[in-house]
Amino acid sequence: QVQLVESGGGVVQPGGSLRLSCATSGFTLSRYGMHWVRQAPGKGLECVAFLRYDGSDKSYADSVKGRFTISRDNSKNTLYLQMNSLRPEDTAVYYCSKDLPTGGGFDFWGQGTVVTVSS
Amino acid sequence: EIVLTQSPATLSLSPGERATLSCRASQSVSSYLAWYQQQPGQAPRLLIYDASYRATGVPARFTGSGSGTDFTLTISSLEPEDFAVYYCQQRRNWPLTFGGGTKVEIK
Repeated sequence: QVQLVESGGGVVQPGGSLRLSCATSGFTLSRYGMHWVRQAPGKGLECVAFLRYDGSDKSYADSVKGRFTISRDNSKNTLYLQMNSLRPEDTAVYYCSKDLPTGGGFDFWGQGTVVTVSS
Repeated sequence: EIVLTQSPATLSLSPGERATLSCRASQSVSSYLAWYQQQPGQAPRLLIYDASYRATGVPARFTGSGSGTDFTLTISSLEPEDFAVYYCQQRRNWPLTFGGGTKVEIK
């Protein structure tokens, strides 16, 4: 069955870096679009990064553009989010999610990993 | 950026009642709209994609409708497990955006 398991969250000072990982199983990572979605405490959902299934396109929210990088390692079935120059407003639960084959929605989600940016 | 406005913010209903949730887009998203349910402390769950298609395993009491700028999620008869927050999401343009959510609470 499909599983997504995030890791790498933690507490970091403003200006610091973290790399989030999303270990996947039950499907072929290179065949599906993948997303990172975050949710600040008590707030709604925000799509922060997208990786097209064939790797030909990466898209970022304006709020993270130039600071975050999405990537994957197909041999390890793992999706990544490199986060640099972190700000307090990046504090959130970060979820990785998988696209439906048709791209109509996010059909599987991880449990989330918590990132706290604070001095 | 396409803005999605959900209404009402909170819906207070009793089990067995019908719930009608609205999502309005700032510009046409065609049928590229999805609905998600989120329980406290959990990841969202896909309910509806492409405006009206139920995701795998979603009960038939959930129905999505609409196109263009106005969409509706209807829960025909609320079960105890349906009390949660519901989000709509557009996939017409990047950045993909979510609405602010509707909380369905027990009256």
